[in-house]
Amino acid sequence: DAGVIQSPRHEVTEMGQEVTLRCKPISGHNSLFWYRQTMMRGLELLIYFNNNVPIDDSGMPEDRFSAKMPNASFSTLKIQPSEPRDSAVYFCASSNQETQYFGPGTRLLVL
Amino acid sequence: AQSVTQLGSHVSVSEGALVLLRCNYSSSVPPYLFWYVQYPNQGLQLLLKYTSAATLVKGINGFEAEFKKSETSFHLTKPSAHMSDAAEYFCAVSDHNAGNMLTFGGGTRLMVKP
Repeated sequence: DAGVIQSPRHEVTEMGQEVTLRCKPISGHNSLFWYRQTMMRGLELLIYFNNNVPIDDSGMPEDRFSAKMPNASFSTLKIQPSEPRDSAVYFCASSNQETQYFGPGTRLLVL
Repeated sequence: AQSVTQLGSHVSVSEGALVLLRCNYSSSVPPYLFWYVQYPNQGLQLLLKYTSAATLVKGINGFEAEFKKSETSFHLTKPSAHMSDAAEYFCAVSDHNAGNMLTFGGGTRLMVKP
């Protein structure tokens, strides 16, 4: 298995631009999680899906952030408009009801 | 509510010395407990997990952890540190009654001196 796949691995954009991060979970996993990691706040859970349905989005910082999971093999996290304080590493993880497996992350820099 | 406390944000050991990374948790239900390792510029990799079977759990790279219910602890150990063990380590507790959400500790950065 290829594991959790995230793209792009690195993204540099200017303030105000739209950013879309993509995630392909491990086949057969029915839960998907989006995290953000920064030096100041560590690992934060943004949102998680179960069977493609958003269950808890209380960690999404603002309305500028949105996430979708149109099918079992694909999810997106969108930031519109982006701000410099959104600079972080964004991780996607998928779960088989017991263990979460993490992707390599997307390193986002908003100038 | 669940919480995880990792004592010591930075731990430094000499190569060949014992590694001990501390983790205490609180949980209102029997917990599932995890240790993840994060190498620089990489994602989190599962080291080992406790899911109510044997209390002494062996993981990858020679690490092990022991679940002690009376102490609400799940400390990570390795008998002999290697330079390649330098990384950040995260302890996490799962609420399997709430969609398997993980609550992470703040992480411990392990440094290994030659």
